[in-house]
Amino acid sequence: KAGVTQTPRYLIKTRGQQVTLSCSPISGHRSVSWYQQTPGQGLQFLFEYFSETQRNKGNFPGRFSGRQFSNSRSEMNVSTLELGDSALYLCASSLVGGGNTIYFGEGSWLTVV
Amino acid sequence: GESVGLHLPTLSVQEGDNSIINCAYSNSASDYFIWYKQESGKGPQFIIDIRSNMDKRQGQRVTVLLNKTVKHLSLQIAATQPGDSAVYFCAERRRFTEYGNKLVFGAGTILRVKS
Repeated sequence: KAGVTQTPRYLIKTRGQQVTLSCSPISGHRSVSWYQQTPGQGLQFLFEYFSETQRNKGNFPGRFSGRQFSNSRSEMNVSTLELGDSALYLCASSLVGGGNTIYFGEGSWLTVV
Repeated sequence: GESVGLHLPTLSVQEGDNSIINCAYSNSASDYFIWYKQESGKGPQFIIDIRSNMDKRQGQRVTVLLNKTVKHLSLQIAATQPGDSAVYFCAERRRFTEYGNKLVFGAGTILRVKS
């Protein structure tokens, strides 16, 4: 079956703009989480959603937000982009509950200029 | 942040040799651990996982060892191949609620396989 699908794969934005990234989880997976990957900070947890509710949030400013739809698809939004937001944004999905394997998508490469 | 990726250690091995990649985790309450492989330009790919009630788990050509006493995790790759060249990350899962959890990643290790 299809893996975690993220769109767009690459995008370039200007400082001050906002961006929306989309994620379709593996069929049947209802938990979706987002991570930011940069060379300096590595992989950092952004937030996690289940049943359209944010369950956990990482240590990121309020400019980073997300949501989940009834079909488990998720979007994340970054407003007022800064140069430091340039990163690979990764979406991961899993079955609900503990101990379930977490699978990642290929990511969305965001460059802020 | 909890995951710092400034200077990744590099492991260089000869094709056909066994590789051992080590990882120290920080939280004794973590109950689930995963190894991921990330190739250039791609997302992390699941390799193998292990629960905290186990100390060893084997997959195809890979073995994960967990030592909870010293909070250490290792990934062993048998007969390393050029296609194994990538960055390898260990991740620990921190539970918050029945549904809430997050992964905390190590900095990563670069594996280079020499032919």
